Amino acid sequence: NAGVMQNPRHLVRRRGQEARLRCSPMKGHSHVYWYRQLPEEGLKFMVYLQKENIIDESGMPKERFSAEFPKEGPSILRIQQVVRGDSAAYFCASSLNTGVQNIQYFGAGTRLSVL
Amino acid sequence: SQQGEEDPQALSIQEGENATMNCSYKTSINNLQWYRQNSGRGLVHLILIRSNEREKHSGRLRVTLDTSKKSSSLLITASRAADTASYFCATDVGTSGSRLTFGEGTQLTVNP
Repeated sequence: NAGVMQNPRHLVRRRGQEARLRCSPMKGHSHVYWYRQLPEEGLKFMVYLQKENIIDESGMPKERFSAEFPKEGPSILRIQQVVRGDSAAYFCASSLNTGVQNIQYFGAGTRLSVL
Repeated sequence: SQQGEEDPQALSIQEGENATMNCSYKTSINNLQWYRQNSGRGLVHLILIRSNEREKHSGRLRVTLDTSKKSSSLLITASRAADTASYFCATDVGTSGSRLTFGEGTQLTVNP
């Protein structure tokens, strides 16, 4: 049973370009979370999705950022018109359940560098 | 201060010693989890303790939870060089989606 798969592992973009980050959850998991980690800091929640639905996007910046989790295929975190401040590690996690036993399994992350 | 703050920020010990990391939080929680992150890698789940539990063990790990003080501790016994990593506590407050709120982490260095 493969773990959470993220690609690419590293992504370099110039200011103004678009970044697309992909996440395939663990088999059987229908809950997907995206987090951002700046250097030397903890992870900050961005968005929680279930298949075809955004459940909680309270951590997403209001502009340029969007996320989806289609019925078929991976979850996508999309950053339009990237700026240097978007440089960070972006982690995806998936879980089987929510509630008191909500254990989230993390991917290896995508490290975005904006030049 | 933020939900899920760890202390110390950094801890350096010798192999064989015990390492204790603390976490404080501010709101009521469903559960508290500890994760480990090796440099440049993703997070690995270590242990989950529910709000109605006070102590939990897993191998060399011991976690305590004091909901009256809103604090938790992670003890790693008989540490090894391979335990060198950052350790994060994360709280699940049970709101819609059960997102996790992470602290800033403790950087543990175990010297051989």
